[in-house]
Amino acid sequence: KAGVTQTPRYLIKTRGQQVTLSCSPISGHRSVSWYQQTPGQGLQFLFEYFSETQRNKGNFPGRFSGRQFSNSRSEMNVSTLELGDSALYLCASSPNTQNIQYFGAGTRLSVL
Amino acid sequence: DAKTTQPPSMDCAEGRAANLPCNHSTISGNEYVYWYRQIHSQGPQYIIHGLKNNETNEMASLIITEDRKSSTLILPHATLRDTAVYYCIVDNYGQNFVFGPGTRLSVLP
Repeated sequence: KAGVTQTPRYLIKTRGQQVTLSCSPISGHRSVSWYQQTPGQGLQFLFEYFSETQRNKGNFPGRFSGRQFSNSRSEMNVSTLELGDSALYLCASSPNTQNIQYFGAGTRLSVL
Repeated sequence: DAKTTQPPSMDCAEGRAANLPCNHSTISGNEYVYWYRQIHSQGPQYIIHGLKNNETNEMASLIITEDRKSSTLILPHATLRDTAVYYCIVDNYGQNFVFGPGTRLSVLP
């Protein structure tokens, strides 16, 4: 089975722009979670989607949003980028809401 | 805040067992203990998880104390490829993990 696929792997944007990151979960997995990892704050939970519905949300501003499609693929969007949004963004999928999460390799976003 | 406390770093000689401790004194009855590791900016990799009983798989063993307030991850024969940051997480839903800083394990030749 293919693992969790995140695209793109690397991205460079400038302040004020917006960005969309994509995550394809493992086939059959319906839950997708997103995390942000920075050297200062470590790994922080952004949000989780299950069956196209956001079930949980972390403590991030409204500039961070996401969605999930009927095929369980998910996207996250960050609008009005700030320098502090530079991070590794990780996606994880699991079969249902109470199972092991499997992480992708991440998208490294640099905001200049 | 993370519900776990781990030493910031540990060293282990290659071929020896690596024992990584984790304190979770406020764990509640329905919370599982999960262990993940992250190798240099890759995505975290699931290792093992448990509720009350000790668990073993092809990667590691998990020993949970009877009062469930602490646990130990054991890598029986550490290799250089086991050098990573190891995260201990307690959670009952398994979907929005709160990661602490973890333990940076260095396996030395």
